[in-house]
Amino acid sequence: GQQVMQIPQYQHVQEGEDFTTYCNSSTTLSNIQWYKQRPGGHPVFLIQLVKSGEVKKQKRLTFQFGEAKKNSSLHITATQTTDVGTYFCAGIISSGSARQLTFGSGTQLTVLP
Amino acid sequence: ETGVTQTPRHLVMGMTNKKSLKCEQHLGHNAMYWYKQSAKKPLELMFVYSLEERVENNSVPSRFSPECPNSSHLFLHLHTLQPEDSALYLCASSQDSAASGQPQHFGDGTRLSIL
Repeated sequence: GQQVMQIPQYQHVQEGEDFTTYCNSSTTLSNIQWYKQRPGGHPVFLIQLVKSGEVKKQKRLTFQFGEAKKNSSLHITATQTTDVGTYFCAGIISSGSARQLTFGSGTQLTVLP
Repeated sequence: ETGVTQTPRHLVMGMTNKKSLKCEQHLGHNAMYWYKQSAKKPLELMFVYSLEERVENNSVPSRFSPECPNSSHLFLHLHTLQPEDSALYLCASSQDSAASGQPQHFGDGTRLSIL
């Protein structure tokens, strides 16, 4: 079936280093959402991208939506221990009249102090 | 406080038991969802309700039975579960269905263990 792939599955960084997670789809996405799930917590909505080539920033987080609307990335500058968690992308895939939000498998980020 | 409350937080049950998971949202949303989250797997969408009508059922086994009596409450009735059903079950809500692109608000989940 249609899937949203996310890499890497795990990432360990030293505090202060940058981090990037990538999301790819085999089909065009209507839009893409990003969520963060802290250890032991629940996914929390971060942002939504809709336009081709769109870039949005939230403090140290930069989100991009590819020109073809098939990929997206989340980049964190100068990671902090509070960034620890799993980051999920979720894309809306249209198939005929049906639209479904499909989550990627997530990237689990560990930040070493 | 997320506005979406799930009970119980933890549940241990035998394979022959019958139990129910409860979800309540205080956000005035029209759509509610059940997800299954297992280790090393993507979030699996199980059921979607929009305006109290089921709009999606992703080939979920019949041992899982959802119920949505009103737009604020969602239940997941469980019976004759299997060990592979052990997982975190997350409830979510959104203003309208996910197809409209609305962000989803998740509850803290119920950690289910099947003995």
